[in-house]
Amino acid sequence: NAGVTQTPKFHILKIGQSMTLQCTQDMNHNYMYWYRQDPGMGLKLIYYSVGAGITDKGEVPNGYNVSRSTTEDFPLRLELAAPSQTSVYFCASSYPREQAFFGQGTRLTVV
Amino acid sequence: DAKTTQPNSMESNEEEPVHLPCNHSTISGTDYIHWYRQLPSQGPEYVIHGLTSNVNNRMASLAIAEDRKSSTLILHRATLRDAAVYYCILRDEGGSQGNLIFGKGTKLSVKP
Repeated sequence: NAGVTQTPKFHILKIGQSMTLQCTQDMNHNYMYWYRQDPGMGLKLIYYSVGAGITDKGEVPNGYNVSRSTTEDFPLRLELAAPSQTSVYFCASSYPREQAFFGQGTRLTVV
Repeated sequence: DAKTTQPNSMESNEEEPVHLPCNHSTISGTDYIHWYRQLPSQGPEYVIHGLTSNVNNRMASLAIAEDRKSSTLILHRATLRDAAVYYCILRDEGGSQGNLIFGKGTKLSVKP
């Protein structure tokens, strides 16, 4: 099993541009999550989803959008990128009441 | 969400036991106590979780206070590979709410 796969691993984005971070999981998990982690800090929840067609805001949703059209995929969309969105982004998935599995992260720089 | 309090950092010697504390005085009846760790430059990985009783697995043990207001993650013999940030998280498993909120964690250093 591949687990949770994030693409790309690294990306440099110009201010004002948009992009989509991809996340896919092959474990048939209901729950999926997006986090960001700034240097030397803990993880902050951006959005999460408890199933296809259902998404909800986390702690820091501003500047981001998500969709969950399938169980496997949970893309994170950045609109009008800003330097404050420079961070490492982690996607995770889990069954209810079970451990979460994390991807290896996407390191995004906005210049 | 109920919050947790952990020391910012701890040190241990290799091959000695490590006790990582976590306070969660506002825990509710449906909150499970989860522990994750994050090795340098990696995504977090699951360590252990429990509700009321102490739990053991191949990685660690979790000791939960009788009143559930605190817990301790126990690494029985620390290795250099255990140097990481350890996060204690309360996760409400009583409903369909799925969020998993991380705090600041404890940075564990292991000395040879």
